[in-house]
Amino acid sequence: QQPVQSPQAVILREGEDAVINCSSSKALYSVHWYRQKHGEAPVFLMILLKGGEQKGHEKISASFNEKKQQSSLYLTASQLSYSGTYFCGTLTKGDKIIFGKGTRLHILP
Amino acid sequence: GAVVSQHPSWVICKSGTSVKIECRSLDFQATTMFWYRQFPKQSLMLMATSNEGSKATYEQGVEKDKFLINHASLTLSTLTVTSAHPEDSSFYICSAETGTGADTQYFGPGTRLTVL
Repeated sequence: QQPVQSPQAVILREGEDAVINCSSSKALYSVHWYRQKHGEAPVFLMILLKGGEQKGHEKISASFNEKKQQSSLYLTASQLSYSGTYFCGTLTKGDKIIFGKGTRLHILP
Repeated sequence: GAVVSQHPSWVICKSGTSVKIECRSLDFQATTMFWYRQFPKQSLMLMATSNEGSKATYEQGVEKDKFLINHASLTLSTLTVTSAHPEDSSFYICSAETGTGADTQYFGPGTRLTVL
């Protein structure tokens, strides 16, 4: 079942923070986050595994609440290069990754 | 590491012709590759899972005779859109798993197909 992402779209000014949420109705084995710029393929950001964890690199981090079957992606002090569509992909044990509909993020200078 | 290439990047063809798209893992061996299609401003829709040396597994609603997938080696999978029609126009993206156990998929740059 397709995970639900929220918000659908968000516009920020450079330097502001954003949170993108991803929730599933199924028990999750892992959550994958990707960013896709217009006309390009998705680029892997990070994976969070069962057991509940947080990860991050530079100003992009994420958390995974296994009990709530939710993950959140945190973008702090956003930069223009962060613009794009963010997809979460959820994986249940023995299944394939299913991607959400995406959250479009637009950063204004 | 974990670089995936696709060829061609863009293709325009006439209705009724067949188009082959190649997906290669450049610096790792991929036992499993995935083929997606994506319509403008929409999510990635999995078409099929391609396993080296065996038949591809197609998702429900995807015609296997229309979209032929061959995974001839650990670094190459091909998708052939047979007798293409305008409704087949889309962005086709492949991905490959590195097989490290984390199920992370690395995507190719995509192929934009336009059928006239």
